[in-house]
Amino acid sequence: GENVEQHPSTLSVQEGDSAVIKCTYSDSASNYFPWYKQELGKRPQLIIDIRSNVGEKKDQRIAVTLNKTAKHFSLHITETQPEDSAVYFCAASKGGSNYKLTFGKGTLLTVNP
Amino acid sequence: DAGITQSPRHKVTETGTPVTLRCHQTENHRYMYWYRQDPGHGLRLIHYSYGVKDTDKGEVSDGYSVSRSKTEDFLLTLESATSSQTSVYFCAISDLRTSGAYNEQFFGPGTRLTVL
Repeated sequence: GENVEQHPSTLSVQEGDSAVIKCTYSDSASNYFPWYKQELGKRPQLIIDIRSNVGEKKDQRIAVTLNKTAKHFSLHITETQPEDSAVYFCAASKGGSNYKLTFGKGTLLTVNP
Repeated sequence: DAGITQSPRHKVTETGTPVTLRCHQTENHRYMYWYRQDPGHGLRLIHYSYGVKDTDKGEVSDGYSVSRSKTEDFLLTLESATSSQTSVYFCAISDLRTSGAYNEQFFGPGTRLTVL
């Protein structure tokens, strides 16, 4: 089955700096790559996703890139703010009849004021 | 947040007792999922459902069973709870009719289960 590796497991940055979280996946048939943000004690929330027919997607201060050849994708957060502090999860899924997401183990991002 | 609720939100039980967690949705989504979340392991799929009475196992299904008798409810049962099942349990829903062929999942608020 699919295997998703996520790095780093913890990341500490200064407010205003950029943060990058990287994930690799094993199944070349995967075509959907969402990112979730989970604040302490809350549910995971979908913040952005990318589909295999594009290489990059942006939404204000966050962006995702996908390299299908290398089977890796990344989350980029620019101008980080303390409210960006959370655990971030990447995931991968095949399309069609496979309705499962496989998650990475998460990255704890801390933004220091 | 999508219309997903979980009950109970917190539960403490003893080893060997049966426990049932409920996930209820008002979105009429076809697919429902149960995950457990443990430190260092991320979110791991226990069971999922792709329609009423249609369920399948995930990667950590041992010791768990599920049932879905109607679209809006998905039940997770621990037949005989063990301390290793102490965890936070999340339900999620998705529907390819609204997201195309891509599996956008939306999560419930979670249930914190402690097995003593």
